Amino acid sequence: SYELTQPPSVSVAPGQTAKITCGGNSIGRKNVQWFQQKPGQAPVLVVYDDSERPSGIPERFSGSNSGGSATLTVSRVEAGDEADYYCQVWDSDSDHPVFGGGTTLTAL
Amino acid sequence: EVQLLESGGGLVQPGGSLRLSCAASGFNFRSYAMSWVRQTPGKGLEWVSAISGSSYNTDYGDSVKGRFTISRDNSKYTLYLHMNSLRADDTALYYCARYRGSGYYSDFFDYWGQGTLVTVSS
Repeated sequence: SYELTQPPSVSVAPGQTAKITCGGNSIGRKNVQWFQQKPGQAPVLVVYDDSERPSGIPERFSGSNSGGSATLTVSRVEAGDEADYYCQVWDSDSDHPVFGGGTTLTAL
Repeated sequence: EVQLLESGGGLVQPGGSLRLSCAASGFNFRSYAMSWVRQTPGKGLEWVSAISGSSYNTDYGDSVKGRFTISRDNSKYTLYLHMNSLRADDTALYYCARYRGSGYYSDFFDYWGQGTLVTVSS
């Protein structure tokens, strides 16, 4: 089955830029979604189709996807951005959605 | 405002059954495919099952196929997950999630509920 690999944690100082990667075989050929999950809360879609933002999501959240990894970039990180972030793609072999293992973003 | 509210979780013995419900509001329920996704501390997020807006198509993850059944009642704006032959590794927080469109093939989730906890233990 298709696997997505994320770093367990990313730490940045408030005001700096955080980059969270999501690796997978030929992931550049797939559409990637990113979800934010704060403690005790449901996941929230922050990026879809690699780089599109749903309404209400700040412009500080952006996405890219090329080569062997997709990247969620959080600019000017705030304390309120601390959360787990999950990438997700559609696996065309199994015809099922697949999630990455999640990355905990910490604002130092 | 889109709202999804799960219920029906609880403690059940191995081999037992449980029915989860997800009450939807704030959108035209029949126009959207729906899904169940579960989360455990050790395995993260795992897709469980999906159903199209019309109920014509359903699909299941390999770990639950043959044991779980997804259904919906569009007149009641409610999604269900019937779980049989429950095992310890089914213990998880179960989320109801909406797809962006009426079908689920190659689509993604745009709204999630708060989840309902299922614990399988003797």
